[in-house]
Amino acid sequence: LAKTTQPISMDSYEGQEVNITCSHNNIATNDYITWYQQFPSQGPRFIIQGYKTKVTNEVASLFIPADRKSSTLSLPRVSLSDTAVYYCLVGDRDAGNMLTFGGGTRLMVKP
Amino acid sequence: NAGVMQNPRHLVRRRGQEARLRCSPMKGHSHVYWYRQLPEEGLKFMVYLQKENIIDESGMPKERFSAEFPKEGPSILRIQQVVRGDSAAYFCASSPTTGETNYGYTFGSGTRLTVV
Repeated sequence: LAKTTQPISMDSYEGQEVNITCSHNNIATNDYITWYQQFPSQGPRFIIQGYKTKVTNEVASLFIPADRKSSTLSLPRVSLSDTAVYYCLVGDRDAGNMLTFGGGTRLMVKP
Repeated sequence: NAGVMQNPRHLVRRRGQEARLRCSPMKGHSHVYWYRQLPEEGLKFMVYLQKENIIDESGMPKERFSAEFPKEGPSILRIQQVVRGDSAAYFCASSPTTGETNYGYTFGSGTRLTVV
């Protein structure tokens, strides 16, 4: 399973755009990149998933360069409620494998 | 459509007692995964089950821990003779059949086990 590396923590202010980058140098051909969000005392919540280039949904955008060795989760105009831990995971979504979580990035949004 | 339901939300056990954690997957999901999370840490995989089968238990401690997902009823994570180090949040996730995880796994709200 590909290992991921992401910053331990980040601070931002309300209304700013936040970009969290994740490194996954050993990503395999069949691996997808998935991001989860976790609030205190809750289970992780799926945010976005992608394979290459750019994916956008109502919550975030995911940018993946051509070599796929990294990815960037972009949260537009964050609010205080976006304060959470964000996990980057890579894995073969069609293999039924379990997800492997790293330490995540603790995002603190300040007023 | 209810999400993944876990109960109890909080469980307190004395050392040496048994803990039983329950997980009902989302409707239509036949794959269940159990994870453990210690404070300030990421989730650690424990076991992956399908109905009546354990597919991968590589993350499960060899002793005192067991899991099942019967044909009828919820998945159960059982911890026998609990010790203080078992205190953690235990999360269950479910997914549809393999090949359909386009939208990721759905996690429950977890069971917080405290061993006193």
